[in-house]
Amino acid sequence: KNEVEQSPQNLTAQEGEFITINCSYSVGISALHWLQQHPGGGIVSLFMLSSGKKKHGRLIATINIQEKHSSLHITASHPRDSAVYICAVRLIRYGGSQGNLIFGKGTKLSVKP
Amino acid sequence: DVKVTQSSRYLVKRTGEKVFLECVQDMDHENMFWYRQDPGLGLRLIYFSYDVKMKEKGDIPEGYSVSREKKERFSLILESASTNQTSMYLCASSTPALQNEAFFGQGTRLTVV
Repeated sequence: KNEVEQSPQNLTAQEGEFITINCSYSVGISALHWLQQHPGGGIVSLFMLSSGKKKHGRLIATINIQEKHSSLHITASHPRDSAVYICAVRLIRYGGSQGNLIFGKGTKLSVKP
Repeated sequence: DVKVTQSSRYLVKRTGEKVFLECVQDMDHENMFWYRQDPGLGLRLIYFSYDVKMKEKGDIPEGYSVSREKKERFSLILESASTNQTSMYLCASSTPALQNEAFFGQGTRLTVV
């Protein structure tokens, strides 16, 4: 059983649409990351959350610790948002010097003009 | 601007060759990680290091070794490359603190023929 589940796996949207990507996890965590990977490979960290909600431009990330669930929202989507979005959790049991991350399999988003 | 730099974006190697993937970070981070990323499987941890000359096996260490002689450099070694090691390889670094971000390199796409 995967400890981090993302949905959907693939998502196609029209420019301007509101997009939601979901992440559920089954373990105790100290933090949750949302990452973005464009074609070509490099990964960029969008958010790191341990509670509540964060907003950066058109991106909003929320986390519900009790329900072990996080969402990434993109408002007014644009073709340049096309990328793979990856949820990753930092496990409590790997705390201290290890700082290991467990990754979801990613959501491939394609925004059409 | 923080940087994690991988020595190559693309590599093509022959079966049986010894392959070195280099990663350098300029943030004085203690922790460094090597992942491989495959379609449908997401990112999987190969090895990580939490200090110079220290290393720990991740989820899939078979066929790989690592070297960390200096704090800023973490090398992944494929002792005898095989076709099933064709993959995208990503290096990351972080501090030990549980709620600090991880920073990723741009990735190396390795093809073993």
